[in-house]
Order: sequence, then structure tokens, then C-alpha cells
Amino acid sequence: DAKTTQPNSMESNEEEPVHLPCNHSTISGTDYIHWYRQLPSQGPEYVIHGLTSNVNNRMASLAIAEDRKSSTLILHRATLRDAAVYYCILSGNYGGSQGNLIFGKGTKLSVKP
Amino acid sequence: DTAVSQTPKYLVTQMGNDKSIKCEQNLGHDTMYWYKQDSKKFLKIMFSYNNKELIINETVPNRFSPKSPDKAHLNLHINSLELGDSAVYFCASSLTGSHEKLFFGSGTQLSVL
Repeated sequence: DAKTTQPNSMESNEEEPVHLPCNHSTISGTDYIHWYRQLPSQGPEYVIHGLTSNVNNRMASLAIAEDRKSSTLILHRATLRDAAVYYCILSGNYGGSQGNLIFGKGTKLSVKP
Repeated sequence: DTAVSQTPKYLVTQMGNDKSIKCEQNLGHDTMYWYKQDSKKFLKIMFSYNNKELIINETVPNRFSPKSPDKAHLNLHINSLELGDSAVYFCASSLTGSHEKLFFGSGTQLSVL
């Protein structure tokens, strides 16, 4: 299985940008990089995903290293509502089906007022 | 309207009982999933169905049987419940099974006493 490595926890101040790193040195050429987040007592929520190029959406930006062995999720201005566990996941052909997402431990982001 | 809804939200039951969790999605997606999140917060895929057909069946005891009456519904029936089945179960759906983003339900917290 392709695996990802993330810090267990990070802290941020409200209104400041947050950079959440993820290492995936064993990524294969067809693996997509996905980010999800899980707020307390809720189901995971899609944040962003990409393959090679950097991606932007209304929630965040995804910066992918040129060799694709690492990526960074960027929250441009953290709010208290962004406090959650952030999962960096690779999707590939696991379990006979592309798109099977294997969640790791994630990074618990705390946001201070 | 909730995109992926699952019921019940909480389920408390005795060991040995049989219980079901229902899931419905109104997004017109082809693929639905069941994930289990244990006490250590690891989120693991259990099953995946595409257009009512089983695609992924991870190493899950036979006591767990998914049923998909149509592509908008994926129910999970659990026989002879055991203490170790206590967890939060999440239903999810995606447009296809291939690198598409997942939409998760809010979870069913199952407690087996």
C-alpha cells in the first residue's frame, strides 16, 4: 500500500495561514493525492485533490512537489471552524478498485483565537 | 437536503443481537461505501458497491452483510454482535469509484454492551 506520513498535530492562530505537510515517497504515477478533514463528531469532508499540478478551490490550495513525493495543504486564513483532523490520502488501485481511499492517522489541527 | 443520510445516529445493543444500519444518498452517485472508525480513530473501508454490485470486500467477518436494493441505498446488517464491533460506522458515496471525491454521512455510533 502506498502510505502517507503526516505530523500528529499542529497548532495555528486564527486568521493566519496554515501549511499542513504530507510525505508520500512511495507514490506511484497514477496515484491521486486527496485531502479530507474530519470535524469532531462528524463524517470526513472532502477538501481537495490533485495529481500533478497545484490545485485551488474555495476551501484550500494543494501544492504538490515536482517529484510528487510530498504535498502541502494550505488553508489561507485559519478560522476556529477549521479545527479538525486532516487526512492526506493516496488513491490508487487497491482492493481491486481504483479510488479506494485508505485513511491514515491524519494531523489534528488546533486553531487558537 | 442531506446528501448522504444514515440511520440511526446512535445504536446501543446487547452482545449477540442482530442490527441494521441504513444509508441513502440523493446525489445520483453510482458507488457507495461503508467505513468503520474504531476507538483509535482509524478509518477503514469495509465494503464498496457500484451500481448495486459488490466491488470491494475487505477482510470483514461474515457477520457483516451489506445489501444494496438500488444504487441509492446501501444498508449494513450485522449478525451476532460482539463487543469489538463497537465503533462509528460511516456510509459514503462517490460519482464513480475512480478517484472521485467521497461524500460521507454523519456516522452511526454503535455500542455493543
